[in-house]
Amino acid sequence: LAKTTQPISMDSYEGQEVNITCSHNNIATNDYITWYQQFPSQGPRFIIQGYKTKVTNEVASLFIPADRKSSTLSLPRVSLSDTAVYYCLVGPMDSSYKLIFGSGTRLLVRP
Amino acid sequence: KAGVTQTPRYLIKTRGQQVTLSCSPISGHRSVSWYQQTPGQGLQFLFEYFSETQRNKGNFPGRFSGRQFSNSRSEMNVSTLELGDSALYLCASSLGQGSTLHRYTFGSGTRLTVV
Repeated sequence: LAKTTQPISMDSYEGQEVNITCSHNNIATNDYITWYQQFPSQGPRFIIQGYKTKVTNEVASLFIPADRKSSTLSLPRVSLSDTAVYYCLVGPMDSSYKLIFGSGTRLLVRP
Repeated sequence: KAGVTQTPRYLIKTRGQQVTLSCSPISGHRSVSWYQQTPGQGLQFLFEYFSETQRNKGNFPGRFSGRQFSNSRSEMNVSTLELGDSALYLCASSLGQGSTLHRYTFGSGTRLTVV
């Protein structure tokens, strides 16, 4: 299973764009990249998923370079409510795969 | 549509007792996974059920067990509770197949305190 590495924490200010990078050097050909967000005392929430290039939805963008050894979650114009832990997960669309969460990145958005 | 419902929200039990937690997935979702979250260990995978069969299992002792019913509702049971079992237990549901395999919807969890 591909192991992921993310920064432990990041600080930002309201209105700024935040980019969280996840390294997954051993990503396999059939692995997808998925990001979740978690607020305190709540379950994680699915944000975005991609395989290659760029994916965008109403919440975030996901940039994946050609070699797929890393990915960047981009949050445009963050607000205080974006303060949360963000998890990067990598794995195949295989029913035998167990969704494994790492330590995540704790994002703090300041006023 | 209704989200993932976990009951109860809070629970206090004594060491040695057993506990059963319940999870009702989103309608139409056939996969239910359970996770334990603690400050020290983070989110740890317990097991996953799909169409009433355990499909995946994490590295937890046999005291932790689960099951899934024909309506996809799931329960997990912890027997002979230990202080270290105090945690937030999260249930997540998904369609369980295809391109949405990793798109889980989590419940708000059951906060279990063992005293």
